[in-house]
Amino acid sequence: SQTIHQWPATLVQPVGSPLSLECTVEGTSNPNLYWYRQAAGRGLQLLFYSVGIGQISSEVPQNLSASRPQDRQFILSSKKLLLSDSGFYLCAWAGSGNTIYFGEGSWLTVV
Amino acid sequence: GENVEQHPSTLSVQEGDSAVIKCTYSDSASNYFPWYKQELGKRPQLIIDIRSNVGEKKDQRIAVTLNKTAKHFSLHITETQPEDSAVYFCAAEPKGTYKYIFGTGTRLKVLA
Repeated sequence: SQTIHQWPATLVQPVGSPLSLECTVEGTSNPNLYWYRQAAGRGLQLLFYSVGIGQISSEVPQNLSASRPQDRQFILSSKKLLLSDSGFYLCAWAGSGNTIYFGEGSWLTVV
Repeated sequence: GENVEQHPSTLSVQEGDSAVIKCTYSDSASNYFPWYKQELGKRPQLIIDIRSNVGEKKDQRIAVTLNKTAKHFSLHITETQPEDSAVYFCAAEPKGTYKYIFGTGTRLKVLA
């Protein structure tokens, strides 16, 4: 069966510090991968998606970036965090059947 | 691009009553419409989905209806229970885009 792992689960970072969130999927090949952000009590905002290694589409211009160095690995990064980057970050994957599955999420607090 | 609107933002019902959440989408090319349930502090979980070639789908107390002409789809929960309390999100995927655009969510409270 397919599983998705995302880490770290929680982190508190100062403004201006870098960020790296990592996500891996197991049990499938060539998945579509996604990063969503959810501000407190708000909806799911699509940040990036990838349909293959090295292929990244950005949905929202911001100080975040994403990379896909391997087929089942998706990384969200920032060189300098802003207070507005705080939120619940969700990695997700989808296979050929359309259904999108979410990781357990990473709570980021920028202080 | 696709835009999904979801209403209401909050909904309170008495236990045993029905709840209905509605979403509208803008891109007529969208052909896949999932619904997710998110409990506090947890990840969204798929509860039901429907494709554009189907008008209605039911799974026990949960059903989804799709009106392609009007470009809206709805989630129906019957005989609500306290454990149905959560935030529900609808989404749409325009065919071939691999992008899932979510509605803003509905906070459902089932009052015992």
